[in-house]
Amino acid sequence: GAGVSQSPRYKVTKRGQDVTLRCDPISSHATLYWYQQALGQGPEFLTYFNYEAQPDKSGLPSDRFSAERPEGSISTLTIQRTEQRDSAMYRCASSLWQNTGELFFGEGSRLTVL
Amino acid sequence: EDKVVQSPLSLVVHEGDTVTLNCSYEVTNFRSLLWYKQEKKAPTFLFMLTSSGIEKKSGRLSSILDKKELFSILNITATQTGDSAIYLCAGSNFGNEKLTFGTGTRLTIIP
Repeated sequence: GAGVSQSPRYKVTKRGQDVTLRCDPISSHATLYWYQQALGQGPEFLTYFNYEAQPDKSGLPSDRFSAERPEGSISTLTIQRTEQRDSAMYRCASSLWQNTGELFFGEGSRLTVL
Repeated sequence: EDKVVQSPLSLVVHEGDTVTLNCSYEVTNFRSLLWYKQEKKAPTFLFMLTSSGIEKKSGRLSSILDKKELFSILNITATQTGDSAIYLCAGSNFGNEKLTFGTGTRLTIIP
């Protein structure tokens, strides 16, 4: 696509529910990133993919968080048994390849856990 | 743990003024320093700096890196209301793909 597309834009859920966020990167981009951005803070790295491989998931806060990119294109981030502290903006970004530094960010999915 | 600190946290100036935003970093195995502009929607890339002392310029924006003192500045001359945004600085390192972001500087330009 023309840009990085994320859905849903807004998600409100109750504590304990599972949520899945979706990212559709720029079509020519091999590398895809997930970041978490709390209000008033900079984005914090969660994980990244090169095509379908996931070389680094060190930023995922707990085993309730998982991400996949099974066909090397669209990616999903799933949070199981959500907690209030999971409330944040979740941003996806893509780049042509790793190490370029120039990330193209999506508009984000704002998650609110009640 | 890697750390990026930006100052000031917020800045309000009049249109036409020149501003300087600061970014200091402590990043292990440092590779590059990046600047992004975050308006209402998504952060957009401005500059990537890897070498000390070489100014990067794009229109009214310019940036420079000092790898000895571990900081970077972003200058905006003749500011316009469209420059109002949060400016994010991030450090990257060799060996992984993680960007460590600062909390940003919120710049407001008054007409």
